[in-house]
Amino acid sequence: GAGVSQSPSNKVTEKGKDVELRCDPISGHTALYWYRQRLGQGLEFLIYFQGNSAPDKSGLPSDRFSAERTGESVSTLTIQRTQQEDSAVYLCASSLVTGWWTEAFFGQGTRLTVV
Amino acid sequence: AQSVAQPEDQVNVAEGNPLTVKCTYSVSGNPYLFWYVQYPNRGLQFLLKYITGDNLVKGSYGFEAEFNKSQTSFHLKKPSALVSDSALYFCAVRDSNTNAGKSTFGDGTTLTVKP
Repeated sequence: GAGVSQSPSNKVTEKGKDVELRCDPISGHTALYWYRQRLGQGLEFLIYFQGNSAPDKSGLPSDRFSAERTGESVSTLTIQRTQQEDSAVYLCASSLVTGWWTEAFFGQGTRLTVV
Repeated sequence: AQSVAQPEDQVNVAEGNPLTVKCTYSVSGNPYLFWYVQYPNRGLQFLLKYITGDNLVKGSYGFEAEFNKSQTSFHLKKPSALVSDSALYFCAVRDSNTNAGKSTFGDGTTLTVKP
């Protein structure tokens, strides 16, 4: 597609339920990143995928968070047993390579509200 | 380690006046610096970047930024603000030894341009 696509755009879930967030990167982009943006705050790095290499999971806040990516295509971010503090906008971004010269292209985000 | 600070939560300017959104950074290696803009209910859009070369970088929508190594700053500027420039602006920094996905973002500065 023309840009990074995320779905759903909004998700309201009950505390304790699991949620899956989806990201479709720009075609041909080998690198994919997930960020979390809490209200009034900057972006918090969660996880990064590059091709078939092992993902960098160093930003995942707890073992309730996990992400998968099939090859160089779609990625899903899963949050298990959601808590109210998980409420945030989850942003996905992709780029051609993870070299220093490249900027990331962001999706519109998924606004997650845990009630 | 890398960090970035945007000391102003809010910047207000009148349309037609010059604007400056401040950003300072800290990295252990060479800095790679980025500015992104976020309009309401939309993802982040890349504005400009400094990798190497001229300290004055020109980007989208008439914005520019000046890299100042001695002051470790990368302030975003525009000679004449437009009402449509009103948005949330993020500065990001990446150490030359860090992969693209692990850029550190500031907390953002809300720019309001009044007619």
